[in-house]
Amino acid sequence: EAQVTQNPRYLITVTGKKLTVTCSQNMNHEYMSWYRQDPGLGLRQIYYSMNVEVTDKGDVPEGYKVSRKEKRNFPLILESPSPNQTSLYFCASSPEDRATTNYGYTFGSGTRLTVV
Amino acid sequence: EDKVVQSPLSLVVHEGDTVTLNCSYEVTNFRSLLWYKQEKKAPTFLFMLTSSGIEKKSGRLSSILDKKELSSILNITATQTGDSAIYLCAVEGYSGGSNYKLTFGKGTLLTVNP
Repeated sequence: EAQVTQNPRYLITVTGKKLTVTCSQNMNHEYMSWYRQDPGLGLRQIYYSMNVEVTDKGDVPEGYKVSRKEKRNFPLILESPSPNQTSLYFCASSPEDRATTNYGYTFGSGTRLTVV
Repeated sequence: EDKVVQSPLSLVVHEGDTVTLNCSYEVTNFRSLLWYKQEKKAPTFLFMLTSSGIEKKSGRLSSILDKKELSSILNITATQTGDSAIYLCAVEGYSGGSNYKLTFGKGTLLTVNP
């Protein structure tokens, strides 16, 4: 089944303890991205990647890191989490030729992160 | 800075009603506009509209892109309780070179009562 898989689904952690949220897609998509969703603010892009070893900042990159060493994986790293990073996180992927194939972004099931 | 504004923010209707959701945008180097439905989990893709495909329809849902007014509407006819969800509008724009990014609106919460 074509899908984007995020892990974990739920995570409660303490301030300052490094964590990684994994994202993997099995559709050979070039484009991958991370979003956070907060009440009243909607979905905001954190980082995106056009392909392997190509990443760029989105609208809210502060406090996050990403890497794209393999096409299928795009982990989100919080080096020193803080309570204001408590949020619902989504990973998404799409093929590069989306405009010609009418293919939207596919989202993972989300990771609900709480930093205390 | 790219901007996407959806209206209304919230809407309550009765089953069988027809609803129209609005999305307006300001984006540099427009590439596409996408509509998503979000229930309790991840957003699911509904439509993508581009300069070469400004009207889409699937069952009771349809969407139109107005390139002149920089806006789009999502119509749902004969609404059902299963249509209750947050509807998200997102616009994709080129951000330099071959890079592009997606900007979401805050969504419209649709509640369909029996």
